[in-house]
Amino acid sequence: EVQLLESGGALVQPGGSLRLSCATSGFTFTSYSMGWVRQAPGKGLEWVSSITDTGGATYYADSVKGRFTISRDNSKNTLYLQMNSLRAEDTALYYCTKRGVGPRAMDDYWGQGTLVTVSS
Amino acid sequence: EIVLTQSPGTLSLSPGERATLSCRASQSVSSGYLAWYQQKPGQAPRLLIYGASSRATGIPDRFSGSGSGTDFTLTISRLEPEDFAVYYCQQHGTSPRTFGQGTRVEIK
Repeated sequence: EVQLLESGGALVQPGGSLRLSCATSGFTFTSYSMGWVRQAPGKGLEWVSSITDTGGATYYADSVKGRFTISRDNSKNTLYLQMNSLRAEDTALYYCTKRGVGPRAMDDYWGQGTLVTVSS
Repeated sequence: EIVLTQSPGTLSLSPGERATLSCRASQSVSSGYLAWYQQKPGQAPRLLIYGASSRATGIPDRFSGSGSGTDFTLTISRLEPEDFAVYYCQQHGTSPRTFGQGTRVEIK
């Protein structure tokens, strides 16, 4: 059974930093691209970032480019999102997603999310 | 980026009725890379349909997807109580991948 377990969400002040983690199990982590999708309170879904299976390529939404860094540790089956220079508009539930097969695959499994609140 | 517009915003139906949800793209979706997700309150989204018309693992056959180019449809043939939720479409063929704003299916 595929499992994705996010952690690291917290209340942080504007301008602060946070690192999210996503521990995975139940599939061959090294074979799949992974991603992060966020959902602001009461709002819709927004793709944030993604990374290929080897970690050789990363992609970002314009809204987070230059502030967020996605990475993965294939020896630990874990995905990360380093979030710097946080803004109020980054407040959201952050979901870790596993991609399907292929470079443009859908997000076939989602974690339960970790809440990031940016406020003074 | 490709903008996805879902309609209607809210659909009020009774169990047993048929639900038809629309997703329209601002430009053609590459090779049918269109997915549908279901989200219930307090839960993560769940993949229902990918490739515009293929059901994901474990999804009941009352859910079906159709369409191509810029117009896509999710149909729930007979609504079960557990189907009342918010549904999102997503295009994942062109970067950045984008989502529609969602359609809420509520009990009438």
